[in-house]
Amino acid sequence: DAKTTQPPSMDCAEGRAANLPCNHSTISGNEYVYWYRQIHSQGPQYIIHGLKNNETNEMASLIITEDRKSSTLILPHATLRDTAVYYCIVRRASNTGKLIFGQGTTLQVKP
Amino acid sequence: KAGVTQTPRYLIKTRGQQVTLSCSPISGHRSVSWYQQTPGQGLQFLFEYFSETQRNKGNFPGRFSGRQFSNSRSEMNVSTLELGDSALYLCASSSSSLGLERDTQYFGPGTRLTVL
Repeated sequence: DAKTTQPPSMDCAEGRAANLPCNHSTISGNEYVYWYRQIHSQGPQYIIHGLKNNETNEMASLIITEDRKSSTLILPHATLRDTAVYYCIVRRASNTGKLIFGQGTTLQVKP
Repeated sequence: KAGVTQTPRYLIKTRGQQVTLSCSPISGHRSVSWYQQTPGQGLQFLFEYFSETQRNKGNFPGRFSGRQFSNSRSEMNVSTLELGDSALYLCASSSSSLGLERDTQYFGPGTRLTVL
């Protein structure tokens, strides 16, 4: 699976948009980008995933660059409850049932 | 639809003992994966089961084993517990039949194992 690089930590003011970057320069054409988050000591929560096009759901938006070498997760109006570790994962089909987690980005939303 | 459930939520064992953890996947999901999370190593993949067969395996010693039942429920077992096995054990399920990249895994709350 392609390696991902994320900043170790970020701050965001409550009510503002949180933009979390992820680099995946070795991504292959059939690999999806997944985002999960983990609030302290809970199980990771699925947020969103995409292949080429930008995606949006009720939680967030995912912007993938045209060359697919990087992506940005956008939380449009961050709240204190969005404070968590955010993981960007690139997944290959051959690794069935397996997600490779890096260290993620710790997002701290401040009042 | 109910989410992934794991039992027990907390467990305390002593070195040398064995432990069995249980995971019930989301209804209709046939793939179950197990992960170990420790402060030092982060989240690491243990193994995946699909249709009662282990389909993928991580780099863990043979003391870690699992199985899946015909109703897709899964158990993992750790024998001869060591202090370093203290961790949060997470289970995830997906509807995957082909292990496609787009198949989404949904995680349970985890079992916190403490080995004394």
